Amino acid sequence: GAVVSQHPSRVICKSGTSVKIECRSLDFQATTMFWYRQFPKQSLMLMATSNEGSKATYEQGVEKDKFLINHASLTLSTLTVTSAHPEDSSFYICSAPRQGEQFFGPGTRLTVL
Amino acid sequence: RKEVEQDPGPFNVPEGATVAFNCTYSNSASQSFFWYRQDCRKEPKLLMSVYSSGNEDGRFTAQLNRASQYISLLIRDSKLSDSATYLCVVSFRGGYKLSFGAGTTVTVRA
Repeated sequence: GAVVSQHPSRVICKSGTSVKIECRSLDFQATTMFWYRQFPKQSLMLMATSNEGSKATYEQGVEKDKFLINHASLTLSTLTVTSAHPEDSSFYICSAPRQGEQFFGPGTRLTVL
Repeated sequence: RKEVEQDPGPFNVPEGATVAFNCTYSNSASQSFFWYRQDCRKEPKLLMSVYSSGNEDGRFTAQLNRASQYISLLIRDSKLSDSATYLCVVSFRGGYKLSFGAGTTVTVRA
């Protein structure tokens, strides 16, 4: 069964609104989680590393004020896309490591109108 | 230059055929290598890790060439269910930060 869940699986919002995506590790604790973004026909791009109890680490070119990450507990990380614009429309996927393997959430498809 | 590059394909093969494809990586300090499978609009799932000596898992064989910095995947006796996009994934620091190729699409036809 799934070991990492994401919610929502799909969201459509208006430009300028904020969208929160949750990533949960099921039945295991994850002090670190990763957030990726995937545009059509492109590779997954790591956006940031979410660290429980400390600030997230953002990859070069990712705006930390736009993509807010909160690792609230050992099983939950949230990504908030603030003031979303159409160019933020993408597939957002989180992952969590467990026993040496990365497990990915099912992804959230964000469409900003 | 992209960190991980793959031939996007698509590779269209009949059932039972053998299909093989490579990926190259740019960072010679890369430490861990994987092939993931991604079905349309779904999350990636680990297919297999790639070891220096090469390794096999059923119908799938992976090879690593550190000198030339490429990784290969070979699928024997293709099944319809093998139709997917195969992602070449590299870890540069031996940890959990992964770099993905854009994927190679394989379509197996009846």
